[in-house]
Amino acid sequence: DAGVIQSPRHEVTEMGQEVTLRCKPISGHNSLFWYRQTMMRGLELLIYFNNNVPIDDSGMPEDRFSAKMPNASFSTLKIQPSEPRDSAVYFCASSFTGPLGETQYFGPGTRLLVL
Amino acid sequence: KNEVEQSPQNLTAQEGEFITINCSYSVGISALHWLQQHPGGGIVSLFMLSSGKKKHGRLIATINIQEKHSSLHITASHPRDSAVYICAVTGGGADGLTFGKGTHLIIQP
Repeated sequence: DAGVIQSPRHEVTEMGQEVTLRCKPISGHNSLFWYRQTMMRGLELLIYFNNNVPIDDSGMPEDRFSAKMPNASFSTLKIQPSEPRDSAVYFCASSFTGPLGETQYFGPGTRLLVL
Repeated sequence: KNEVEQSPQNLTAQEGEFITINCSYSVGISALHWLQQHPGGGIVSLFMLSSGKKKHGRLIATINIQEKHSSLHITASHPRDSAVYICAVTGGGADGLTFGKGTHLIIQP
């Protein structure tokens, strides 16, 4: 298996633009997580899905952020409009069986810079 | 919300030394994770613990549920162990993962 796949790996955009991050989880995994990592705040859970259904989105910073999982093999995290404070590394992770408490496999991350 | 504290924040040691990284949390959990993040940024899950002890190669993780404390040990440390080690906890159910700030480990040859 190729592991968790994220795209793009790097994104540079201007404030106000829409940004879409993509994630393909490991085949057979039924839980998917979006995390954000910054120097100031470290790693934070944004949202997670179980069987394609959002379970907990309390970590989503504000309405500018939205996430979807239309099927078991694809998820998106969208920021509209983007702001400089959204600059961070965004990780996607997946796991098998149960929403939490299982080993999670992380993607390589998307490094986002909003100018 | 669970408060997760890791110590030390930074640790520099010589190759071959025995390393211990500690993690404490404030609220009861269903599981604790130890993650490793290399300088290139990739994150790897090392262990997921709900009780007792787990061992994988030179790495050992222990957890004491009553004391709300976990330790990650590295035996015969090597420069390739240099990385950030992150502790994360979950209460399960609808609760999300809460992360510590990480321990930056450098092993010098």
